[in-house]
Amino acid sequence: AQTVTQSQPEMSVQEAETVTLSCTYDTSESNYYLFWYKQPPSRQMILVIRQEAYKQQNATENRFSVNFQKAAKSFSLKISDSQLGDTAMYFCAFILYAYSGAGSYQLTFGKGTKLSVIP
Amino acid sequence: EAGVAQSPRYKIIEKRQSVAFWCNPISGHATLYWYQQILGQGPKLLIQFQNNGVVDDSQLPKDRFSAERLKGVDSTLKIQPAKLEDSAVYLCASSLVRGMNTEAFFGQGTRLTVV
Repeated sequence: AQTVTQSQPEMSVQEAETVTLSCTYDTSESNYYLFWYKQPPSRQMILVIRQEAYKQQNATENRFSVNFQKAAKSFSLKISDSQLGDTAMYFCAFILYAYSGAGSYQLTFGKGTKLSVIP
Repeated sequence: EAGVAQSPRYKIIEKRQSVAFWCNPISGHATLYWYQQILGQGPKLLIQFQNNGVVDDSQLPKDRFSAERLKGVDSTLKIQPAKLEDSAVYLCASSLVRGMNTEAFFGQGTRLTVV
C-alpha cells in the first residue's frame, strides 16, 4: 500500500524566517511524482511545487524549494522568507500509475501540517 | 480562466437523509475527481472519471454513494442514506488530461455535516 506520513501536525514560524516541513512516503514503485499542496482556510487546494522521482535536482518555485531524498523516501518543503499569506494546511502527496482495471493515476495525500506564520 | 465550481458550500442533514453535491470542472478538462476529506486528514479519492466514464471507483462506498458525469462535463455525487461518519468536506478536482505530471485543480469543496 502507498502511504504518506507527515510527522508534524502543527508548526509555526516568524514572518520573514525559514521553515521546513517534513514528509516521508512509502511505495515500491520507481516512477512517480511528488507534490506539495497548500490548503488555506478557504479550503481550495493549491499546488505549491512538484518533483519527478527520476530527477535528482531538487525543484524550486520562488520562495519554495524541496529536499528530495529518493533512497530515504523523504520529500521536505522549505519555505523561505515566510509571509502571512503562507498560513495554511500543507499536504504532501504523490501520484503513481495503478495498473489494476482500466488503470488510474492515484494521488495519495498525507494528513497535513498546519503552518502558522506569526507577525 | 474560471476555476472548479462546487455547490453548495455547506450542507447540514440528518442521518438517513439523502444529499447531492454538484461540480462543474474547468472547461476542457477531461479528468474529474471526487475526494472526501475528513477533519484532520488528507483528501481520499472516492472516484475518478475520464470524460463520462469511470476510471477508478475502488474506494467509493457503493452501497450508499453514487456519482455520475453526464456528457463528460458536470458531475454529481450523491449519498443515500447518509451516516454520521460521512461528515466531511467533499472536494471536486479536474485536470486537463490523465497523467502523473498533470496538475489537478480543486474547487472549494462542500462541507457536509450529518447530525
